[in-house]
Amino acid sequence: EVQLVESGGGLVQPGGSLRLSCAASGFTFRKYAMSWVRQAPGEGLKWVSTISATGGTPYHADSVKGRFTISRDNSKNTLFLQMNSLKAEDTGVYYCAKGNWELLAAPFDSWGQGTLVTVSS
Amino acid sequence: DIQMTQSPSTLSASVGDRVNITCRASQSFSRALAWYQQKPGKAPKLLIYEASTLQSGVPPRFSGSGSVTEFTLTISNLQPDDFATYYCQQYLTWTFGQGTKVDIK
Repeated sequence: EVQLVESGGGLVQPGGSLRLSCAASGFTFRKYAMSWVRQAPGEGLKWVSTISATGGTPYHADSVKGRFTISRDNSKNTLFLQMNSLKAEDTGVYYCAKGNWELLAAPFDSWGQGTLVTVSS
Repeated sequence: DIQMTQSPSTLSASVGDRVNITCRASQSFSRALAWYQQKPGKAPKLLIYEASTLQSGVPPRFSGSGSVTEFTLTISNLQPDDFATYYCQQYLTWTFGQGTKVDIK
C-alpha cells in the first residue's frame, strides 16, 4: 500500500523558513515524479512544485519561484520542500503527491494527509 | 501557462441525479486531463485521467469526456457519498481548476 506522510509544518513568521518532508513507502520511490500541492483555508488546490524521478529536473509555480525549492533523497525515500521568505499567502495545507506513472506529465494517484503551514506574526 | 476554468462553481443536486461539471482550458492540449474528488478535511482522490480513463476502484457512475479545450465530468445516479468538491487538472504543467462543490439540493 502506498503511504505518503508529510511533516515539518507549523507556525512561522513572515520572512521565515520551513522545510517540509514527505516520507514515502509502499512503492519504488526512485521511479516516480513527486509533487507538492497546497490548499489555503477554504480555497482550492494549487500546484506548487514537481520534481522528476531522478531529482534532476525541478519545476515551481511562479508564485513560489525563487523562494521554494523541491528536492528528494531517493536513498531515503523522502521528498522535501524548502520554503524561504515565507508570506502570509503561503498559509495552507501542503500535500505531497505521487505521479501515476514514470513520467513528469502524470496525474497524482496518491496523496499524503497534508501538513499545515501558517505564516503569521 | 494553461489556465483551467471550471463551471459551475457550485451545483445543487439530489440523490439519483445526473450531474455534469465542465472544465475549459485556455489553450488546446492533449488529453492530459484528470478529475479529483475532495471531501472536507481529506486529501484529494484521483477519479479519472487521460480525460476518460477511470482510476482503479472508482465506481463506473463516474465518467469523463472531451478533448482539445473542453472536458466534462459526469456523475450518473448521484449517491450520498458523492457530495464533495471536484477539481480538474491538466497535468502537462499541473494546473488545477478552481473547483466545483456538489451539495445537496
